[in-house]
Amino acid sequence: GAGVSQSPSNKVTEKGKDVELRCDPISGHTALYWYRQSLGQGLEFLIYFQGNSAPDKSGLPSDRFSAERTGGSVSTLTIQRTQQEDSAVYLCASSLDGAGGFYGYTFGSGTRLTVV
Amino acid sequence: KQEVTQIPAALSVPEGENLVLNCSFTDSAIYNLQWFRQDPGKGLTSLLLIQSSQREQTSGRLNASLDKSSGRSTLYIAASQPGDSATYLCAVRRGSARQLTFGSGTQLTVLP
Repeated sequence: GAGVSQSPSNKVTEKGKDVELRCDPISGHTALYWYRQSLGQGLEFLIYFQGNSAPDKSGLPSDRFSAERTGGSVSTLTIQRTQQEDSAVYLCASSLDGAGGFYGYTFGSGTRLTVV
Repeated sequence: KQEVTQIPAALSVPEGENLVLNCSFTDSAIYNLQWFRQDPGKGLTSLLLIQSSQREQTSGRLNASLDKSSGRSTLYIAASQPGDSATYLCAVRRGSARQLTFGSGTQLTVLP
């Protein structure tokens, strides 16, 4: 697609439920990133996928968080047993990394997650 | 550990003014630096990307400079307009890292 697409744009869930957030990167972008932006906080790195390499999960805050990327394209971020502190905007970005150099990021519009 | 600081945290200017936003980083071994704009409730829009070998980049009324040795970047906005009102974020990428380290942003308000 022309840009990075994220769905849903808004998600309200009850504490303890599982949620799945989806990211569809720009076609041909080999790198995909998930970030989290909490109210009043900066952007926090969560996880990075590059081609067929093992993902860099160093930013995931707990084992309730997981992500996968199928076929080198669409990615799903799953949060199990959601807690109120998980409320944030979850942003996905893609990049041409791996194509011979480091490139800038293109971000999606984000998913605003509210845990009640 | 890379730390990125943006000053000021908030800025309000009358329409038509030229203005400068500042970004500083602690580790000068960066690969590139990117300026973004974020409108309320929206994602990030990339404005300018400066590679470590470059000194500046320009796009329309925007000019970003990079001084790697002093750990500083500035974003210059000429002839500001109310539509420029947004939060401006800078982010740096270390040579060995894939992820970006973001500053906390400068919230800009341009008054008509």
